[in-house]
Amino acid sequence: EPEVTQTPSHQVTQMGQEVILRCVPISNHLYFYWYRQILGQKVEFLVSFYNNEISEKSEIFDDQFSVERPDGSNFTLKIRSTKLEDSAMYFCTSGTNEKLFFGSGTQLSVL
Amino acid sequence: GNSVTQMEGPVTLSEEAFLTINCTYTATGYPSLFWYVQYPGEGLQLLLKATKADDKGSNKGFEATYRKETTSFHLEKGSVQVSDSAVYFCALGGSNYQLIWGAGTKLIIKP
Repeated sequence: EPEVTQTPSHQVTQMGQEVILRCVPISNHLYFYWYRQILGQKVEFLVSFYNNEISEKSEIFDDQFSVERPDGSNFTLKIRSTKLEDSAMYFCTSGTNEKLFFGSGTQLSVL
Repeated sequence: GNSVTQMEGPVTLSEEAFLTINCTYTATGYPSLFWYVQYPGEGLQLLLKATKADDKGSNKGFEATYRKETTSFHLEKGSVQVSDSAVYFCALGGSNYQLIWGAGTKLIIKP
């Protein structure tokens, strides 16, 4: 079965630094999402991306966050100035209107 | 707004026991409903889904029925195995196919 690939699997950074989380979604998918899961809490929606633009975003997705599809295949999430509370597992998702596929996640640790 | 409520865990059962994990939702309209599973150290995988009232989703011996009258989508399995130990998430489909998640229920199956 096709899969969504995320890199790195674990990212450690200092507070205030920029991080870029990378994702290779499944080719021919049209919808792309980022979710995050803070340890011990529920999964939270961050942003959805369709037709090369953001279609919806949550309150969490403030000006510190941005997404890009720089080359038509990769799908990145950038956090400009990380905060301690950004520490979480970040999941990339791609799909059609029939099914969503999740990557195995990037564990972001902000120190 | 839309929301999902799951029973709190952990749920601890012996092998071959009957499993029920409760999930209720609040939503406008008739959203699709999903169960996702997260095995230790892995990402999220779709377990089953139902797209309209009275639909029954099933996979790997798990079942859940979309009950509009009780706004529920309880997950059941007749005989659990140790390999079913995981965290189970109930989710509701929002706009743009993004998901609204329950808090997750950790299931522990003892041999």
